[in-house]
Order: sequence, then C-alpha cells, then structure tokens
Amino acid sequence: EVQLVESGGGLVQPGGSLRLSCAASGFTFSSYSMNWVRQAPGKGLEWVSYISSSSSTIYYADSVKGRFTISRDNAKNSLYLQMNSLRDEDTAVYYCARGHGDYVLLDYWGQGTLVTVSS
Amino acid sequence: QSVLTQPPSASGTPGQRVTISCSGSSSNIGSNYVYWYQQLPGTAPKLLIYRNNQRPSGVPDRFSGSKSGTSASLAISGLRSEDEADYYCAAWDDSLSAVVFGGGTKLTVL
Repeated sequence: EVQLVESGGGLVQPGGSLRLSCAASGFTFSSYSMNWVRQAPGKGLEWVSYISSSSSTIYYADSVKGRFTISRDNAKNSLYLQMNSLRDEDTAVYYCARGHGDYVLLDYWGQGTLVTVSS
Repeated sequence: QSVLTQPPSASGTPGQRVTISCSGSSSNIGSNYVYWYQQLPGTAPKLLIYRNNQRPSGVPDRFSGSKSGTSASLAISGLRSEDEADYYCAAWDDSLSAVVFGGGTKLTVL
C-alpha cells in the first residue's frame, strides 16, 4: 500500500525557517517524481514544487522561488521542503504527492502537515 | 487569482447531471492535458480524471472529462450525495513552467 506521511509542520514567526519531510513507503520511491502542494485555510490548492526521480529536474512556483528548496533522499525514501524567509501567506496545509509520468498527474497524496506563520 | 478559472460553486439534485467548467489559455489547457481532482471535506485531494478524459482505476464512470481548445469540463452524471466535494482542474503551464490549478468548485448535492 502506497503511503506518504508528512511531518515537520508547526508554528513559526515571519522570516523564520522550517523543514518539512515526507516519508514514502509501499512503492519504489526512486522511480517516481514528487511534488509539494499547499492549501491555505479555506482556500484552494496551490502547487509549490516538483522534483524528478533523480533530482535532475526541479521546478518551483513563482510565489516560493528563491525561498523554498525541494530535495529528496532516495536511499531514505524521503522528500523534503526547506522553507526560508517564511511569510504570513505561506500559512497552509502542505501535502506531498507522488507524480506518475506527467507533471500534473499526482496519483497519491499524504494527509498533509500544517504550517502556521504568525508572530 | 488562479491561472485556471472555475465557477466557485455548482449544485444539483440526486440523479441529475452537472458540469463544471475550467477555462485557461494557450499556454496551459490549450497545449497540455487537463486533470481533475476531487477533495472531500477534511481529506486530501484525489485524482479523478487525467489526460483530459481518462479515469484512474476505481473512479466510477459517472465521472467524465472533456477538453476543447482552451477550456475543459468535468461532468458528473447520476449525482449522489457522496459527490459533494470541492473539484479542481489542473494543467501544466508552458510559460510558467509550473503546474497551475483552478480556484476550485464547491459542489453541493441538494
């Protein structure tokens, strides 16, 4: 059974940093691309970042470019999102999602971890 | 403001057929596949339609997708109470080199 479990969320002050993790199991992690997608409270989905299976291709949304860094460790079956210079508008539930071929085909999602940016 | 435009709400009665539209541009829907995601209350999104009109295993054939030019639609026939959810369209945008989502449509089953 495919499982994605996010962790690392919490309360952080504006300008602070946080590192999210996503532990994957039930599939060959190194064969799949991965994504982070977020959802602000009461709002819609916003794609954040994409990383290919080998980490050779990475994309970011303009809203996080230069502040967030996606990475993965295939030996540890883990996906990460390093978030720096956090802003109030980064407050959201962050989901990790498995990609399957197409950039937009996200076939499995985690349950999400809440990041709250507030003073 | 989302790159893809969806109506904020839609509604129907049980058994009815409803459609949800998604409008984009030449750089996203016009040149790439459209995907649809369903998000039931309090849960993570779920892939509903991929590559314009393909259903993943387990998705009932009551759900169908279509695309024409720079617009796409999700149709739900034989509406059921458990279809009450938020629905999002998505596509790759060549100009942004990014995945773009619609703002979402909240479907209410009356």
